[in-house]
Amino acid sequence: KAGVTQTPRYLIKTRGQQVTLSCSPISGHRSVSWYQQTPGQGLQFLFEYFSETQRNKGNFPGRFSGRQFSNSRSEMNVSTLELGDSALYLCASSLEGRGEQYFGPGTRLTVT
Amino acid sequence: GENVEQHPSTLSVQEGDSAVIKCTYSDSASNYFPWYKQELGKRPQLIIDIRSNVGEKKDQRIAVTLNKTAKHFSLHITETQPEDSAVYFCAANQPGGTSYGKLTFGQGTILTVHP
Repeated sequence: KAGVTQTPRYLIKTRGQQVTLSCSPISGHRSVSWYQQTPGQGLQFLFEYFSETQRNKGNFPGRFSGRQFSNSRSEMNVSTLELGDSALYLCASSLEGRGEQYFGPGTRLTVT
Repeated sequence: GENVEQHPSTLSVQEGDSAVIKCTYSDSASNYFPWYKQELGKRPQLIIDIRSNVGEKKDQRIAVTLNKTAKHFSLHITETQPEDSAVYFCAANQPGGTSYGKLTFGQGTILTVHP
């Protein structure tokens, strides 16, 4: 099976802009989680989607949002970008009822 | 919320030695504990995991132990090789309903194996 894919792989944006990142899970996986990875804060959970519904949410401001489509693909959006939003954004997919999460390659977002 | 502490932050060993990384967690409801390996510029890769109904699990040179009473779990790598050099992350879940819930990660351990 193909692994988790994410697009784009790299992105440079300016403060105040918004950005949308995309994640395609492993075929058959209906749960998608998003994480932010930074050198200072490590890996932090953003949110989890299952069957087009947000099931869990981390401690991030409302500028961070996401959605999931009927084919389990997921997108996350960050509005009004801040310099501190520069990070590697990783998504992970899993089978329902299984804990194992498999990560995509990530999207490296740089905010200038 | 869940808090996961991981030690040490860096670990340097000689090839062939063993390496041990330890984590503690705070949420007694946690029931799933994965370990990830992340090489430079790569995605985190699941290398082993353990569930709360098991005390130990092995897969070739790697093993994980879990002590639910003390709320700590450890990764053991035996006969280390240079290709084991990477950042290792532990994690614990916060279950909710039918979901395994979100994962809370430790801060990571940079493992360096010297030839």
